[in-house]
Amino acid sequence: AQKVTQAQTEISVVEKEDVTLDCVYETRDTTYYLFWYKQPPSGELVFLIRRNSFDEQNEISGRYSWNFQKSTSSFNFTITASQVVDSAVYFCALSFVMDTGRRALTFGSGTRLQVQP
Amino acid sequence: DGGITQSPKYLFRKEGQNVTLSCEQNLNHDAMYWYRQDPGQGLRLIYYSQIVNDFQKGDIAEGYSVSREKKESFPLTVTSAQKNPTAFYLCASSVGGDTQYFGPGTRLTVL
Repeated sequence: AQKVTQAQTEISVVEKEDVTLDCVYETRDTTYYLFWYKQPPSGELVFLIRRNSFDEQNEISGRYSWNFQKSTSSFNFTITASQVVDSAVYFCALSFVMDTGRRALTFGSGTRLQVQP
Repeated sequence: DGGITQSPKYLFRKEGQNVTLSCEQNLNHDAMYWYRQDPGQGLRLIYYSQIVNDFQKGDIAEGYSVSREKKESFPLTVTSAQKNPTAFYLCASSVGGDTQYFGPGTRLTVL
């Protein structure tokens, strides 16, 4: 079965602190994709990153970085020098193949990040 | 600008009423999806459509119906059979099964 676990329900940090959001997944597929989305208070999900299961290189984009480790089935997300604008709910998602042969996403329950000024 | 629009932003329904949520995209994406989000939870798939005139049930399709008569439109009807429809509804689209992009959502409240 496909499953994504985000054990951290809520994290509160002070501005400029670094913060890591954890994501652990389960899948029986050999080829899959992992995603992170940001949901600000407005509600719309904003795509942040997609990672192919064959590519374990870490990725950095500005203050954001992602660490993908197949050995531990984890895809963690780090925000460096956090800012108030980073306050949002962050979702990790896993793309898997359904019985129809089509791909779908399964989402974790999300981590609410509050960055205090 | 290309994107996904959902309307209305807020919707109120009386008991026993059917309501329809609109989702339109001009990204030329083949696939479209409807998700439901409850407070403090992740997204759950209601229905999805890979091509026009074809759609499939997701994990929680009971009490919902959809149509896909045009590539750019994928409306969701919440029927009176849905016993607990109060939630935030998100529409998404993608090229095939690739990265999904989301609309701004509709918040449905049952009075």
